[in-house]
Parts: sequence; structure tokens; C-alpha cells
Amino acid sequence: AQSVTQPDIHITVSEGASLELRCNYSYGATPYLFWYVQSPGQGLQLLLKYFSGDTLVQGIKGFEAEFKRSQSSFNLRKPSVHWSDAAEYFCAVGAGVTGGGNKLTFGTGTQLKVEL
Amino acid sequence: KAGVTQTPRYLIKTRGQQVTLSCSPISGHRSVSWYQQTPGQGLQFLFEYFSETQRNKGNFPGRFSGRQFSNSRSEMNVSTLELGDSALYLCASSPPLAGGSTDTQYFGPGTRLTVL
Repeated sequence: AQSVTQPDIHITVSEGASLELRCNYSYGATPYLFWYVQSPGQGLQLLLKYFSGDTLVQGIKGFEAEFKRSQSSFNLRKPSVHWSDAAEYFCAVGAGVTGGGNKLTFGTGTQLKVEL
Repeated sequence: KAGVTQTPRYLIKTRGQQVTLSCSPISGHRSVSWYQQTPGQGLQFLFEYFSETQRNKGNFPGRFSGRQFSNSRSEMNVSTLELGDSALYLCASSPPLAGGSTDTQYFGPGTRLTVL
């Protein structure tokens, strides 16, 4: 069974500072990995995804993530945070090409607060 | 292209009643998945429909059911509502992929269900 761990429930950073949100996954085969962001009262917006290939993926809003198979991690980074980045961030894993369809397993989320 | 739409956006029901939620996927998408989001359990997968057939199912009781129509629109139904069913119900759609591989899911804004 697949699982995702986001160790940080809350993170506070100052505007302009760099950001790294941690995500560790557990899955026997090659996973498909996603980062989504959710603003209060809203649905989930896709930031970026990793299916295969280059392990450093670029997303929207200046975010990037790096897939490290040896560490079972897929951490999200941004070099300079903007106040509008305050939201909840979710890491998710899918079964990939093993025929598991579109079932995603989500982490518990990291709430990001940005101080002005 | 219009995004995923969900109706209604807000719903208040009482215990024992039943409820039906609707989801219209992005045009051309044939896979629709449903998720339940609560503060205590986080984001949990309910089920996925592809070409009018349930392809995946999460660990929810039989009170939760769904269906998909020939135009890919989907409905989910919860019978005999319990207080614990209060949640944000999110629908996501994905483009068709052969072999049941995971693809990117695009989420709607959700339906907020409150059970009194």
C-alpha cells in the first residue's frame, strides 16, 4: 500500500525567504508524485508533478520539486516566498503505470504562513 | 476550457437523510474521482469512475455510492447521513489513459456538506 508523510504540520516563513516543504513516500514501484495547493474554502490546484525523467521538476508560481529515489522524498521548494503563497500544501502519490488508476494517496498537508 | 464544476457548493442536511452531489468533468476527460476531506482524516479517496464503470474504490462503507453517465458527468450519493459525514467532498477529473495509469487530476471547488 502506498503512503505519504509530510512531517511539518505548520511552517512560518518571512516574505522573501526561501521555502522547503518535506514529503516522504512509501511505494514499492516507481511512484507518480504530485504537489497540490489549497487556499481556504477552495479546491486543490496542481503545482507540479513527477512521472519520470528529470528528477528536478518545475511547476507553476515559481515552485520546483526534486525526486530523490534513495531517500523516498519529493520535497517542494521556492527560492523567494510571496505573501500570496500562504495556503495549505499537499503531497500525493499515485500508483503510476501499475494499473492502479487515478487513486491518489495524500499526505496530511503543511499549512504555510507567510510573515510580512 | 472550463474547469471541473461541482454542485451544489454548500449543503446542509440532517442525520438519516440522503444526499446527492454532482460533478461535471473537464470536457474530454473520462475519469472522475471523488475524495472526502475532513480535519481529522484529511483527504481520503472514495472511488473512481471511468467510462461509466467503477475502477477503484476506497475504504468507505456502502452508504457511499456513485455513478457516472455517458457524458462523463458523475454523481455521488450518501445514504443515511451521519454527523461524521460532514466534510468537503472534492471531485477530480483526468484525461483518458490506456492501461489504467495514473494521470494528472484536476480538482473542482468542492461541495461543503454539513450534517446536523
